[in-house]
Amino acid sequence: DVKVTQSSRYLVKRTGEKVFLECVQDMDHENMFWYRQDPGLGLRLIYFSYDVKMKEKGDIPEGYSVSREKKERFSLILESASTNQTSMYLCASRVGGAYEQYFGPGTRLTVT
Amino acid sequence: EDKVVQSPLSLVVHEGDTVTLNCSYEVTNFRSLLWYKQEKKAPTFLFMLTSSGIEKKSGRLSSILDKKELFSILNITATQTGDSAVYLCAVVNGATNKLIFGTGTLLAVQP
Repeated sequence: DVKVTQSSRYLVKRTGEKVFLECVQDMDHENMFWYRQDPGLGLRLIYFSYDVKMKEKGDIPEGYSVSREKKERFSLILESASTNQTSMYLCASRVGGAYEQYFGPGTRLTVT
Repeated sequence: EDKVVQSPLSLVVHEGDTVTLNCSYEVTNFRSLLWYKQEKKAPTFLFMLTSSGIEKKSGRLSSILDKKELFSILNITATQTGDSAVYLCAVVNGATNKLIFGTGTLLAVQP
């Protein structure tokens, strides 16, 4: 079974703080993804990575950055958190060349 | 612009009912369509459909794709309270290999 874990289920941060969200997968998947999920908007792609040290912008990268130093770990960074970044953040991974993605449990981030 | 639309947005049924969830899409370079079930945690993969007219089935769940009319349906027969979840539809854009998600259908199954 593919296992994707995320560092926190719930997180509360203050405006302006730097926030790190960590994602780890244990199936040696090449590709990893960060989405945010908001009511009425569905899942939107923030950033993705095809391999170690590679990163590509998704549809809504503004205000975010990512890091992939090891194959199993993909980090999402909010350089200066803002209230409009309050959301559910979902990490996913997949085998390179496949279509189905496997998701972590999500981190519900609240920025106050 | 690529678009995936799911309907209904939400529905409430009683245990034992049969439900049909709809997903229509306008996606350039269509490659595949995927269904996921999301409870209060990670979306879990249900089906991937690539060819028109071929039904995928898993227990009480089944799904079919119509590439001519650009839609898919997900059927759930003899619903149970454990089927309560958000059902997500996503389409693969073959040019980018990205998934484009619909906003989901919230299904509530009452005992």
